Amino acid sequence: SQQGEEDPQALSIQEGENATMNCSYKTSINNLQWYRQNSGRGLVHLILIRSNEREKHSGRLRVTLDTSKKSSSLLITASRAADTASYFCATAEGGANSKLTFGKGITLSVRP
Amino acid sequence: DAGITQSPRHKVTETGTPVTLRCHQTENHRYMYWYRQDPGHGLRLIHYSYGVKDTDKGEVSDGYSVSRSKTEDFLLTLESATSSQTSVYFCAIRVFGREITDTQYFGPGTRLTVL
Repeated sequence: SQQGEEDPQALSIQEGENATMNCSYKTSINNLQWYRQNSGRGLVHLILIRSNEREKHSGRLRVTLDTSKKSSSLLITASRAADTASYFCATAEGGANSKLTFGKGITLSVRP
Repeated sequence: DAGITQSPRHKVTETGTPVTLRCHQTENHRYMYWYRQDPGHGLRLIHYSYGVKDTDKGEVSDGYSVSRSKTEDFLLTLESATSSQTSVYFCAIRVFGREITDTQYFGPGTRLTVL
């Protein structure tokens, strides 16, 4: 069963606006990651945040993690048409044989 | 793309036939994974490998088997394909840096249609 549940399922915004996507999960985690998937392509890793971190930045990406609420958010600032893609959160329990558990994804459309 | 290729990229087959999908990596990574992606389900783990001849089941392993006889190749076999196995299959590797990490890099995918 899915560990992560993203919200909303679909998001449509204008170029230049910020996009906020949320992920909730059920069990304890070691880290949470966000991936992007362009249509017809494989997933690409965007950012990883560990359970002892609260916020992390990478370029136009900002991710937060609230372990007390078992939730994370991904903010994309000043969105571009090229940000149009599906975004997935994935959780990991950690350890040598740790596996990722993915959510169902959010479809982001950025209108030019 | 972390040197990951998948073959074939597209395949159409008939119910009951065996199918083998190949994942090949060029960078000697220990951990490899097979996922399937279906609308409304996201990515689900089928099998994974943590070394040559070391494999384990994932969330949706029924009807699938895997083999890893050398580091660079991870094969996924559908012994007798069913229409419910129509999906897009992704291979991934796990890359370790200075510390253990769970970050995975994905191949381009194989679109399999079972008629």
